[in-house]
Amino acid sequence: AQTVTQSQPEMSVQEAETVTLSCTYDTSESDYYLFWYKQPPSRQMILVIRQEAYKQQNATENRFSVNFQKAAKSFSLKISDSQLGDAAMYFCAYRIRPMNRDDKIIFGKGTRLHILP
Amino acid sequence: GAVVSQHPSRVICKSGTSVKIECRSLDFQATTMFWYRQFPKQSLMLMATSNEGSKATYEQGVEKDKFLINHASLTLSTLTVTSAHPEDSSFYICSARQGFEQFFGPGTRLTVL
Repeated sequence: AQTVTQSQPEMSVQEAETVTLSCTYDTSESDYYLFWYKQPPSRQMILVIRQEAYKQQNATENRFSVNFQKAAKSFSLKISDSQLGDAAMYFCAYRIRPMNRDDKIIFGKGTRLHILP
Repeated sequence: GAVVSQHPSRVICKSGTSVKIECRSLDFQATTMFWYRQFPKQSLMLMATSNEGSKATYEQGVEKDKFLINHASLTLSTLTVTSAHPEDSSFYICSARQGFEQFFGPGTRLTVL
């Protein structure tokens, strides 16, 4: 069964600094998506970034980038120039790519990120 | 991105009553919708997957007679918590799929007294 592990329940970073959130996963599949979702205090889930497993190039979205290591099954999120609005719970997530009966998103337990002014 | 709405955003009910939560995809058609439950400071737990026009698929441990899901149209899925009890108090989130993207509603906080 697929699993997603986030080993850092909480992290803090100084405003304007860079922080990296860790995520590892386990799967026997070769074709899948990996995601990072942000859940701010409003509780609305927001997609931060998506990575297709078949792509070697790491995905980037403005200040957010990932380090995808497929062989190591590692998928970390780097936030550069941290801003107060980045404070939230961050969930790493996995989903098999072909859309079939098992294509549900599997979430990690989350990492709460605090931004220190 | 596409918008998913939920109604109501908050509901308080008495123990033993039933509560219906609506999930709508506002600007797209969703063949598949998902219902999640989230306890405080925890991750999202998938309760069921709902496909338009067919019965929902429930995750192991989720009582289908207690959590009734109806996906009557391509833009609407409903979750009814029947005979609610205080332990059903939680945050419920729906999600709708469009292609390979999945969009989340803002959630509904259910409090059962």
